[in-house]
Amino acid sequence: GAVVSQHPSRVICKSGTSVKIECRSLDFQATTMFWYRQFPKQSLMLMATSNEGSKATYEQGVEKDKFLINHASLTLSTLTVTSAHPEDSSFYICSARDLEAGIFNYGYTFGSGTRLTVV
Amino acid sequence: LAKTTQPISMDSYEGQEVNITCSHNNIATNDYITWYQQFPSQGPRFIIQGYKTKVTNEVASLFIPADRKSSTLSLPRVSLSDTAVYYCLVGINAGGTSYGKLTFGQGTILTVHP
Repeated sequence: GAVVSQHPSRVICKSGTSVKIECRSLDFQATTMFWYRQFPKQSLMLMATSNEGSKATYEQGVEKDKFLINHASLTLSTLTVTSAHPEDSSFYICSARDLEAGIFNYGYTFGSGTRLTVV
Repeated sequence: LAKTTQPISMDSYEGQEVNITCSHNNIATNDYITWYQQFPSQGPRFIIQGYKTKVTNEVASLFIPADRKSSTLSLPRVSLSDTAVYYCLVGINAGGTSYGKLTFGQGTILTVHP
């Protein structure tokens, strides 16, 4: 089945620094990927839609200059949290869909998530 | 996207069948119904998807009445490892062949006891 690899799984950084999270579709091409954020005991909140070769589309309230998204190839999207602060500490998850998977796989595949802690 | 309503939490015991119902009164004609499972500190995992009637796969069944205003995820003979959060999603972009974004509701915390 479709596999989405997310790296790193955990990262601790100092306040004011930047952190890059990678999301790769391992066995399929994804022209579109999605980035979510999840705070403890809450549901997933969509942050942005990552489009290969073009600018990302951000959800309302998400700062595009703080959460930089790059989708330079059909299998890789990156999320960079710039000038991170403790309130950015969260669980970040990416997802993608393999449109070539056929009628037996209509779901989206999610990465394993990245736990970001800003100290 | 149609709004969904699920119970916040449910408790069960090993070996029992668990049914989680999701209400989606405003479901549109082209909307699909999809369920995901999420364990702590992991990304959601696709469980099952349907449009109408009943769908069954190796892990669950999905029952959808004729009016499609609700759906029920049925997990047969649960085990401790089924303890997780279960999300019901509704929308044309929850299925089909598009790249539409998914919007998650609050989900149902299922706790399976020994």
